[in-house]
Amino acid sequence: TQLLEQSPQFLSIQEGENLTVYCNSSSVFSSLQWYRQEPGEGPVLLVTVVTGGEVKKLKRLTFQFGDARKDSSLHITAAQPGDTGLYLCAGTYNFNKFYFGSGTKLNVKP
Amino acid sequence: GAVVSQHPSRVICKSGTSVKIECRSLDFQATTMFWYRQFPKQSLMLMATSNEGSKATYEQGVEKDKFLINHASLTLSTLTVTSAHPEDSSFYICSAKGRRAYEQYFGPGTRLTVT
Repeated sequence: TQLLEQSPQFLSIQEGENLTVYCNSSSVFSSLQWYRQEPGEGPVLLVTVVTGGEVKKLKRLTFQFGDARKDSSLHITAAQPGDTGLYLCAGTYNFNKFYFGSGTKLNVKP
Repeated sequence: GAVVSQHPSRVICKSGTSVKIECRSLDFQATTMFWYRQFPKQSLMLMATSNEGSKATYEQGVEKDKFLINHASLTLSTLTVTSAHPEDSSFYICSAKGRRAYEQYFGPGTRLTVT
């Protein structure tokens, strides 16, 4: 059983479109991270959110942490082919262990 | 900052042999490192938590005698897959806990193929 469920699992869109990826859990996390992973490489940290209701922006990416700290979303505006990859969320309770979501595979077509 | 390296990046070995994978934090000290396994098109599965100077903590279902972990210094952890079998073929990724407790930085991964 996956502690963190991501949706959708797969997303294929055209360049310029907007998209949102969701990360949901029934558990409350101390913090949550988002990563992007390209084939054959390790995940790269995009952002960490720690406060309920927190919103962080990274260029065209907007991350939100739910008020109850059980869920998070990643919104990409005007997607580009360079955004293609596997997006992973990960949560931690006590900073001793990180639980990864099921992943969302994004493909942005030119 | 916060660069983690892994060596080797790819390794092919014969069934029954052992393989060692190294994970190094290059520009910071990491008291805690994690070892993950990733199957094709799937998410990361935590195998064990490696703490410098103490025994690793293994996740349920992970054989500690098969996957030997040593964290001998603040910048190096090793994973040895002993008596490898084809079902051990996978992508192994390490990460090191950063200065902020809630962040971890990943290595580039090691592709293990057991023939």
